[in-house]
Amino acid sequence: GAVVSQHPSWVICKSGTSVKIECRSLDFQATTMFWYRQFPKQSLMLMATSNEGSKATYEQGVEKDKFLINHASLTLSTLTVTSAHPEDSSFYICSARFQGVNTIYFGEGSWLTVV
Amino acid sequence: SQQGEEDPQALSIQEGENATMNCSYKTSINNLQWYRQNSGRGLVHLILIRSNEREKHSGRLRVTLDTSKKSSSLLITASRAADTASYFCATDAVQAGTALIFGKGTTLSVSS
Repeated sequence: GAVVSQHPSWVICKSGTSVKIECRSLDFQATTMFWYRQFPKQSLMLMATSNEGSKATYEQGVEKDKFLINHASLTLSTLTVTSAHPEDSSFYICSARFQGVNTIYFGEGSWLTVV
Repeated sequence: SQQGEEDPQALSIQEGENATMNCSYKTSINNLQWYRQNSGRGLVHLILIRSNEREKHSGRLRVTLDTSKKSSSLLITASRAADTASYFCATDAVQAGTALIFGKGTTLSVSS
């Protein structure tokens, strides 16, 4: 079964609204979670690294005020796309490193469409 | 950020043929991983090769790693139509706790 679960799988929202995507680690404590964005026919681009209990570290060019990341527990990280616009439409995928195990697991991904 | 290039960007072959994809990267790594992604879907982990390994096999997959050239290759033998997908290499850096960094990917199309 899935080790990392993402929700929702698909979401459509109106331009200007905010959308939250959840990334949960199942049965494991994830010390670090990562968020990626993938535009159609492109590769996965790292957006930010999220450590439990501390502020996320954003990659260059990613607006931290637009893409709010919260990692309040060892099993949950959330990505909130604020004031979404059509150009934010993309596939968002999270991954997690587990405490004591140098293995990375990926969520199933979330398709965001902003209309 | 992205590690580097994969080539070819797109590859079209017939069923039964072999497909070879190459990946180059820039930094020192702990390991390199290959993933498959079907259109519109999530990632499927294929194989991991550690920095001290030179070659690894898994079923019809063969991966090589040349750390001196900072490059890796993925060979799919006796390809099938179901192998049609995008393939990405991803590097796991030496620095602990960092994210996997993906290459640009190769889109493979296998026709029957």
